[in-house]
Amino acid sequence: DSGVTQTPKHLITATGQRVTLRCSPRSGDLSVYWYQQSLDQGLQFLIQYYNGEERAKGNILERFSAQQFPDLHSELNLSSLELGDSALYFCASSFRAGGPQYFGPGTRLLVL
Amino acid sequence: EDQVTQSPEALRLQEGESSSLNCSYTVSGLRGLFWYRQDPGKGPEFLFTLYSAGEEKEKERLKATLTKKESFLHITAPKPEDSATYLCAVQAKETSGSRLTFGEGTQLTVNP
Repeated sequence: DSGVTQTPKHLITATGQRVTLRCSPRSGDLSVYWYQQSLDQGLQFLIQYYNGEERAKGNILERFSAQQFPDLHSELNLSSLELGDSALYFCASSFRAGGPQYFGPGTRLLVL
Repeated sequence: EDQVTQSPEALRLQEGESSSLNCSYTVSGLRGLFWYRQDPGKGPEFLFTLYSAGEEKEKERLKATLTKKESFLHITAPKPEDSATYLCAVQAKETSGSRLTFGEGTQLTVNP
């Protein structure tokens, strides 16, 4: 158990819908990262937050947004969902830059 | 652009048959190289961080090494429970952010 929690574990929804994925980092970690893992693209970095501020952005679609709250939990919002958004979404956290990132169990999203 | 290439894509070993996994990387400036283990449907589990060429880290049957262009994960006398996908990732010395760039992974199967 990495100490990172994610909810929900599974999500099934329809095209065009909007969902919210939630992540709680390990106690003491200020950085939260979001990654997408699909069969054809491997693990791809989406976005990083540090202590509530956006720190880095990857190839995150405009339909996707994220935020980190004062209690350091983070939410990833996915809107106007398409079939191709079906994937595993992982949250990770770290204490410091350059330190290891610890991953949560993931949310499996299926868009029908 | 940072790139990570892992080989082989898949590896089948007999229990006790030692081998090595390769991770070749190109990065503008390496802050750290990370190895993770991922079981099907689970989040990546952190194994090692290597920061400079010549560095080695060991954990049970696993040993990771680093050169200026590649890293190796040596598996000595593997057991069936070592079966998993092993992921390599690099972190660049960016001006901001601590994203990881992952390789596609090596799927290891150890037969009893």
